[in-house]
Amino acid sequence: EPEVTQTPSHQVTQMGQEVILRCVPISNHLYFYWYRQILGQKVEFLVSFYNNEISEKSEIFDDQFSVERPDGSNFTLKIRSTKLEDSAMYFCASSPTGGETQYFGPGTRLLVL
Amino acid sequence: SQQGEEDPQALSIQEGENATMNCSYKTSINNLQWYRQNSGRGLVHLILIRSNEREKHSGRLRVTLDTSKKSSSLLITASRAADTASYFCATDGGRDDKIIFGKGTRLHILP
Repeated sequence: EPEVTQTPSHQVTQMGQEVILRCVPISNHLYFYWYRQILGQKVEFLVSFYNNEISEKSEIFDDQFSVERPDGSNFTLKIRSTKLEDSAMYFCASSPTGGETQYFGPGTRLLVL
Repeated sequence: SQQGEEDPQALSIQEGENATMNCSYKTSINNLQWYRQNSGRGLVHLILIRSNEREKHSGRLRVTLDTSKKSSSLLITASRAADTASYFCATDGGRDDKIIFGKGTRLHILP
């Protein structure tokens, strides 16, 4: 069964460094999402992406964040200058069409020191 | 905005018993979904119920939706140790809309 994959599974970085989190959505899906979950808290929406542009973004998704679909398979989340409070599990999700089931990847656990 | 809130926050039951978790939300929705998350792991989609549906079954799972009360319930029958996880309801407004997660119910199945 097709799955969303994410790399790396874990990333440790120094405050102020740039990180790129990678996702490979399910191949025939058209809608892509990033969410994050700070330890012990609820899953929060960051951004949705369709037709090579951002559809919607949350307040969390400030100028330090960007997303890109550089080729036909990858979907990346970049944090330009990481802060301690960016430490969280980051989930990528994809959906065949809008308003349908979103399938989540296993997540990348980011730790900012 | 839509927001799912589950109750109870935590639930411990004996293996073999049924587990019922509830979710309430605030605004009108297009779909409501239930996800499972094992500790520190990814989110596994369990079931989606549309706003025009009242009940849905999938294996040992039964989901109900009452749009008049803005609430949903997830019933897991004949629970197993492997059902130990956190369960989240998530609501969306349709199209490419984000989904909003609740805080989850931590379910612990006792052997």
